[in-house]
Order: sequence, then C-alpha cells, then structure tokens
Amino acid sequence: GIQVEQSPPDLILQEGANSTLRCNFSDSVNNLQWFHQNPWGQLINLFYIPSGTKQNGRLSATTVATERYSLLYISSSQTTDSGVYFCAGDSGGGYNKLIFGAGTRLAVHP
Amino acid sequence: EPEVTQTPSHQVTQMGQEVILRCVPISNHLYFYWYRQILGQKVEFLVSFYNNEISEKSEIFDDQFSVERPDGSNFTLKIRSTKLEDSAMYFCASSVSGTTEAFFGQGTRLTVV
Repeated sequence: GIQVEQSPPDLILQEGANSTLRCNFSDSVNNLQWFHQNPWGQLINLFYIPSGTKQNGRLSATTVATERYSLLYISSSQTTDSGVYFCAGDSGGGYNKLIFGAGTRLAVHP
Repeated sequence: EPEVTQTPSHQVTQMGQEVILRCVPISNHLYFYWYRQILGQKVEFLVSFYNNEISEKSEIFDDQFSVERPDGSNFTLKIRSTKLEDSAMYFCASSVSGTTEAFFGQGTRLTVV
C-alpha cells in the first residue's frame, strides 16, 4: 500500500504567522484529503484535492499529483487553528481506503 | 449541511463484553467506512462497505469485528469480545462513491477497562 509522510511533525506559531504543511505520497493517489483534528478529537474535512489548488478563507491547498505531494497553507494563523492536521490518500481500488499520515501537530500561541 | 452522526460519543465497557457502535451516514451516500485511532496515533482504516457487503478490510479487522446495515439509515460496528487494546476513537465515514470525498462523523471514544 501507499506510504504517507507529513512534515513537519510539530509546529509552533505566533498568532498571525503563516505556515506551510507538506504531505508526500509514495505512489499516485486518486483521492487526497486534508483534515483538521480539533482538541475534542473530531476530524473536520478541510479539502478534497486530488489535484490542483483550492482556497477556503485563510486556508488553501495545492496538490501536484505528478510529483506526489500536497501542501496546506495556513495564513494569518489564529489560536483556533491549533490541533493536528492530517492528510490522507487512497491509491485506488474504488473503495476509498484512505491511508493517513502521522499528522502535523500545530500550536498557535497568542 | 448533511453530516455523519455517531452514537454514543463515549462508551466504557468491561473487557470481554460486546459493544455496538452506531452511525447514521449521509443519506444519499452509498459507501460506508469505519476507521480507528488509538490515542496519539494515526487514523487507521478498518473496513469499507458497499451494496450490503464488505468491499475491503484491513488486517486489523479480524473475526471479533463485524459490520451491518440493519436498515436504510444505520451502519453499525460490533466488537464481539472487547480487549484492552480495542480502546480507541472509532470514526464512521461515508461517501457518494468509492473515489469521492469521504465525510467523517465526530467519533465514538471507546474505553475498555
């Protein structure tokens, strides 16, 4: 199966700073998603982005499918952005078996 | 906005007991999934379910686990004889097809004592 690597594993920011999180895949993926896990453990869908670029408010994501990586950009970070960010991909087969990375743990301080 | 709902949010059970975790997927979705996250670790795929049968399962999903869609709206995960190592957050998810965005429920935190 595919391997998913996320970097950095931990990130500490001051409120207002920008950051870039990276996700590398060992093989091409059909489905690629970014999630935010909040302090209560809930997985919040951020982006479904198998290719291209999307933006949602202060967040944006870019996937370069041919080079097997995806980036999540957080601009003007806020304390509520704290938590763990996961990327996950499915390498095919048609049954959406998402393989998750180990996550990037983000702490935003006021 | 439609969402996947899971009950209960927390469950504590004695080792060896059976538990049933319940999920109501988004109504027009046809593919259903269970994932597990042991505290502090990554989210792991357990099983996918389509057309009233298991379409794929991981090596974690052994004989103590089973899934069922007992009616048109619910999707359940049963753990027959719980072990301490089954303690985890269990997530249900659903999607329209096998290659489109999967939406996750809020999770059930299972603690086996």
